[in-house]
Amino acid sequence: DQQVKQNSPSLSVQEGRISILNCDYTNSMFDYFLWYKKYPAEGPTFLISISSIKDKNEDGRFTVFLNKSAKHLSLHIVPSQPGDSAVYFCAASRLLQGAQKLVFGQGTRLTINP
Amino acid sequence: SAVISQKPSRDICQRGTSLTIQCQVDSQVTMMFWYRQQPGQSLTLIATANQGSEATYESGFVIDKFPISRPNLTFSTLTVSNMSPEDSSIYLCSVGHAGGEQYFGPGTRLTVT
Repeated sequence: DQQVKQNSPSLSVQEGRISILNCDYTNSMFDYFLWYKKYPAEGPTFLISISSIKDKNEDGRFTVFLNKSAKHLSLHIVPSQPGDSAVYFCAASRLLQGAQKLVFGQGTRLTINP
Repeated sequence: SAVISQKPSRDICQRGTSLTIQCQVDSQVTMMFWYRQQPGQSLTLIATANQGSEATYESGFVIDKFPISRPNLTFSTLTVSNMSPEDSSIYLCSVGHAGGEQYFGPGTRLTVT
């Protein structure tokens, strides 16, 4: 049962344009959502998060939008830069046994073309 | 964010043997987590490791196969026991932050032949 889904395995965007990465979830108990970026041979790097009580969170070039009714979140990167080329994972969590356990999507490989 | 290191960074092991992966954090943390990323797959939580208590394992993972130690607030180990080729994965440790996010180590790439 895939509780967090990223339906696009890859995305190619021109440098300077907007990159939009999408993520859907099925478990309405999730209360916290995160995006991670991963380069080859490195661990995931935390990018940005959003609580279920908000619908938008912004940090520099990165904005995450949450649509709870649709169980959908998206990450907007603008403007896109070549260094943004990486695999992006969305993750969701709920407070269980005192721990914020993360459930990850399958990832989307973003390529920024010069 | 915490600085997390893992040893070894990669290893090639024979089936039937065991490998212990170390995770070191530069600050004291309450929660540590171990994940697995199989080839072409997403990250899957193996267990949560709290200092001073038994690790809590997720469905599909058992202590006999993945014993975990958490001797203090800056260190943890994960052992992959009696390995088979299906255990070939990247193993990652992470630490929990008060805000809810987790920070990951660089991972250990394990190949079982």
